[in-house]
Amino acid sequence: QKEVEQNSGPLSVPEGAIASLNCTYSDRGSQSFFWYRQYSGKSPELIMSIYSNGDKEDGRFTAQLNKASQYVSLLIRDSQPSDSATYLCAVNLGRNEKLTFGTGTRLTIIP
Amino acid sequence: DAGITQSPRYKITETGRQVTLMCHQTWSHSYMFWYRQDLGHGLRLIYYSAAADITDKGEVPDGYVVSRSKTENFPLTLESATRSQTSVYFCASSEAERGPQHFGDGTRLSIL
Repeated sequence: QKEVEQNSGPLSVPEGAIASLNCTYSDRGSQSFFWYRQYSGKSPELIMSIYSNGDKEDGRFTAQLNKASQYVSLLIRDSQPSDSATYLCAVNLGRNEKLTFGTGTRLTIIP
Repeated sequence: DAGITQSPRYKITETGRQVTLMCHQTWSHSYMFWYRQDLGHGLRLIYYSAAADITDKGEVPDGYVVSRSKTENFPLTLESATRSQTSVYFCASSEAERGPQHFGDGTRLSIL
């Protein structure tokens, strides 16, 4: 069983719409949660960090964390073609574990 | 510019050869990490370091060696390369153990 799970996609969203990316994780004691964006052939780029239950907004991005249900999501509002990439969810599983990455969701924004 | 740099960006070598991938960061971050990224597996941790002269194994350490004599450098050595080590290798650093990690541009390594 994967410890950090994401739907691999591809997820296709029309330009201007909201893209919703989801991630579930296995350890209820996890404390730190991150979303990375990775363009093809490039390195992962940190776009959001979240540590507490609830929503955290940064520009067009909103991260949502629900520790009781063990999921974290990323919403991208007003999606742009430049948002087309693979989005990686990363979780510090438990209290002392190193960062574990999901395999990523490939997002395509359709003009 | 401050940041994290990896070299070389591309490397082709033969099985049995020793190869070293370099990683250098200018942020003075305490923590440094080496990952490999393969289709179907995502990013997997090879080794990490909490400070100079402190290193520890990650999920897939077999066949790899690391050292950290200086805070800013964290080289990864494949002592006797095998085809299964063909991958993209990323170095990352962070200020705190469970804080956000920042990645270098990666090294694409092919072993023939």
